Amino acid sequence: DAGVIQSPRHEVTEMGQEVTLRCKPISGHNSLFWYRQTMMRGLELLIYFNNNVPIDDSGMPEDRFSAKMPNASFSTLKIQPSEPRDSAVYFCASSLQRSGVGYTFGSGTRLTVV
Amino acid sequence: KNEVEQSPQNLTAQEGEFITINCSYSVGISALHWLQQHPGGGIVSLFMLSSGKKKHGRLIATINIQEKHSSLHITASHPRDSAVYICAVVYNTDKLIFGTGTRLQVFP
Repeated sequence: DAGVIQSPRHEVTEMGQEVTLRCKPISGHNSLFWYRQTMMRGLELLIYFNNNVPIDDSGMPEDRFSAKMPNASFSTLKIQPSEPRDSAVYFCASSLQRSGVGYTFGSGTRLTVV
Repeated sequence: KNEVEQSPQNLTAQEGEFITINCSYSVGISALHWLQQHPGGGIVSLFMLSSGKKKHGRLIATINIQEKHSSLHITASHPRDSAVYICAVVYNTDKLIFGTGTRLQVFP
């Protein structure tokens, strides 16, 4: 398995633009997580899905952020409109069931909003 | 007060030294992860523990659920062990709460 695949690896965009981050979890994993990492706040959970259903989105900072998981092999995190304070590394991770077994992170997307 | 606290925040060592990183938490958990993040940013899950001890190569992780404490040990440290080590507790089904990390530098 290629692991958790995120795209793009780097994204530079202008303030106000829409940004879409993509994630393909490991096949067979049915929990998927979106995290954000900044120097100031470290790693924070934004949202997680179990069996494609959002379970906890309390970490989503505001309405500008939305996440979808239309099927078991794909998820998106969208920011619209983007702001400079959204600049961070966004990680996707997946695991098996709710056991945390096989917890695997993607390589992350480094987002810079100018 | 953070729910997950790590110590030390920064650690330097000479190659070959035995290293211990500590993690204390204040919430009830179902499991705990030790994560490693190298310069360049990739995050790898080293261990997931819910009790006792696990060993993988030169790495050993222990957890004491009653005392809400875990330790990560590195024996015979090597410069390639230089990374940030993050403790993360599994809280409320799958939700992870992260410590602030321990930055380890091992010099030859």
